[in-house]
Amino acid sequence: DADVTQTPRNRITKTGKRIMLECSQTKGHDRMYWYRQDPGLGLQLIYYSFDVKDINKGEISDGYSVSRQAQAKFSLSLESAIPNQTALYFCATSGGGSSYNEQFFGPGTRLTVL
Amino acid sequence: RKEVEQDPGPFNVPEGATVAFNCTYSNSASQSFFWYRQDCRKEPKLLMSVYSSGNEDGRFTAQLNRASQYISLLIRDSKLSDSATYLCVVTVGGSGDKLTFGTGTRLAVRP
Repeated sequence: DADVTQTPRNRITKTGKRIMLECSQTKGHDRMYWYRQDPGLGLQLIYYSFDVKDINKGEISDGYSVSRQAQAKFSLSLESAIPNQTALYFCATSGGGSSYNEQFFGPGTRLTVL
Repeated sequence: RKEVEQDPGPFNVPEGATVAFNCTYSNSASQSFFWYRQDCRKEPKLLMSVYSSGNEDGRFTAQLNRASQYISLLIRDSKLSDSATYLCVVTVGGSGDKLTFGTGTRLAVRP
């Protein structure tokens, strides 16, 4: 079984709809992240969380919100989806210790906003 | 100026060739450096960390030049399975493990 899972894997929605992307991990890591990837722009950090009670904005948090429901779960919400939020979204985790900088990514969610 | 810049490629090379990618970063306070590999429509995966003294992992060699703020990745004896996009990644200076990704360099290895 995958260590970092994302649901759904693909989603098509309409402008103005609220949607939630979910991420779960079995790695026991404290740190979780949400990124979006657009062609030619690389991965951009949306939000990150270093533990259950910690939420931090990334580079491009406008239009997004997150919830860290438990150590293993980190969800991303689009309150009112717009077409320029069409992208590939990745969740990632990292642990502590000497390897804390290695991030492990989920398989991604491909979101299309019409 | 982008924080991490890479030549997007594609680099199209025959099997067995040696190929090198460079990456430059703008934040002189950047602390840690990595190369990630991303296959088409898949998630990025850590290929190797980059240490100040340079490091090697099989056919892959990574180098860091702090004075010039660039990182390199050398792949020797290219395999078809090396075809992927290679992402240069640095930590934002003083911000723990927040990573900044380059846009990637695409490599295509042909038979």
